[in-house]
Amino acid sequence: DAKTTQPNSMESNEEEPVHLPCNHSTISGTDYIHWYRQLPSQGPEYVIHGLTSNVNNRMASLAIAEDRKSSTLILHRATLRDAAVYYCILRDVGGSGAGSYQLTFGKGTKLSVIP
Amino acid sequence: ETGVTQTPRHLVMGMTNKKSLKCEQHLGHNAMYWYKQSAKKPLELMFVYNFKEQTENNSVPSRFSPECPNSSHLFLHLHTLQPEDSALYLCASSQDLLAGGLEQFFGPGTRLTVL
Repeated sequence: DAKTTQPNSMESNEEEPVHLPCNHSTISGTDYIHWYRQLPSQGPEYVIHGLTSNVNNRMASLAIAEDRKSSTLILHRATLRDAAVYYCILRDVGGSGAGSYQLTFGKGTKLSVIP
Repeated sequence: ETGVTQTPRHLVMGMTNKKSLKCEQHLGHNAMYWYKQSAKKPLELMFVYNFKEQTENNSVPSRFSPECPNSSHLFLHLHTLQPEDSALYLCASSQDLLAGGLEQFFGPGTRLTVL
């Protein structure tokens, strides 16, 4: 399975933008890029996903490099509630079986938001 | 209630006990999942149900027995567990399994401790 690499931790000041990077140099053509986050004592929460084009939703933006070997999750204004571990995940949704359902979480990036 | 709920939130059981974890989703989804999250391991998919039918058993020991009576409810029956089974058990749901169930909604999890 294609792997992702993320920094272990990042800090941001409240109300400032946050750019969370993810490297996935072995990504395949049918791999979607997903981002989930997990707040303390909670289950993971879907944030956003994309394939090739940049994506925006109410929570965040996803910027995907032209060669798809890296991506960046952008939180436009960090709040204290955004303090969580953010996971960048590749999923080959064109496949079948458990591999296409599995959310393979790595260590993620622990984001701290400073008031 | 909205979203995905799980009960109990915390469970302590002995190795000879029998207990059940319950998951309920109020999202009208057709696919449901059980995941295990240990402190030192990434999230592991255990079981997948689609329209009440089990579609995946990811090599889970028989001491874990899932049950899906309808599309809204999912149970995980536990018996003769081992201390190494102590973990956070997460339930998730998605609209269906098309394209690998791109967006999964997670419950808060049940923190299980096996003594």
